Amino acid sequence: DAEITQSPRHKITETGRQVTLACHQTWNHNNMFWYRQDLGHGLRLIHYSYGVQDTNKGEVSDGYSVSRSNTEDLPLTLESAASSQTSVYFCASSDVYSSSYNEQFFGPGTRLTVL
Amino acid sequence: AQKVTQAQTEISVVEKEDVTLDCVYETRDTTYYLFWYKQPPSGELVFLIRRNSFDEQNEISGRYSWNFQKSTSSFNFTITASQVVDSAVYFCALSEEDTDKLIFGTGTRLQVFP
Repeated sequence: DAEITQSPRHKITETGRQVTLACHQTWNHNNMFWYRQDLGHGLRLIHYSYGVQDTNKGEVSDGYSVSRSNTEDLPLTLESAASSQTSVYFCASSDVYSSSYNEQFFGPGTRLTVL
Repeated sequence: AQKVTQAQTEISVVEKEDVTLDCVYETRDTTYYLFWYKQPPSGELVFLIRRNSFDEQNEISGRYSWNFQKSTSSFNFTITASQVVDSAVYFCALSEEDTDKLIFGTGTRLQVFP
């Protein structure tokens, strides 16, 4: 079955380290998104991509970067992790060619702790 | 600017009670989409419904129903005869045409006690 996966599911790192969170989808969806979930804020958009080589900043993009070298993957990199980036991170994808084109399918989430 | 407001932070009910979760949105677009997602204690996000701005018909799916009113910019979600398994955080979200980006509300935590 097609799916969207995230790895690792849990990560503890130290302030200042570079961290990369993986997101992989097998639906061949063009659109992919990264959100972070924090208490009192709901989910907020970090970065998104509408296709290979396309990346865009979301609402809370500072300190994060993404790259899209193929359709299936959108890795999220924290260039120098900060304690304020402790959060749960969700990846999502959607199919621009589907009748429900903006319905997003979410991965299981990655819980990141920055000490 | 787009915004979604879920004023109810937490709601507690006893099983079999009906409960309504409120969602108020702001957008300047005439074409937009509204969503509800459920996040159970296990943490995953479960899609419940998508409604476009041109379809104001209420929708019912089993014990779930949704009331979309453009006049008040609201898209409320009612659970009839609530069950313990309905305990979760529920998110309302907005997407404007041609963007696909979701703007989420802050969520409402529903606790259903036996």
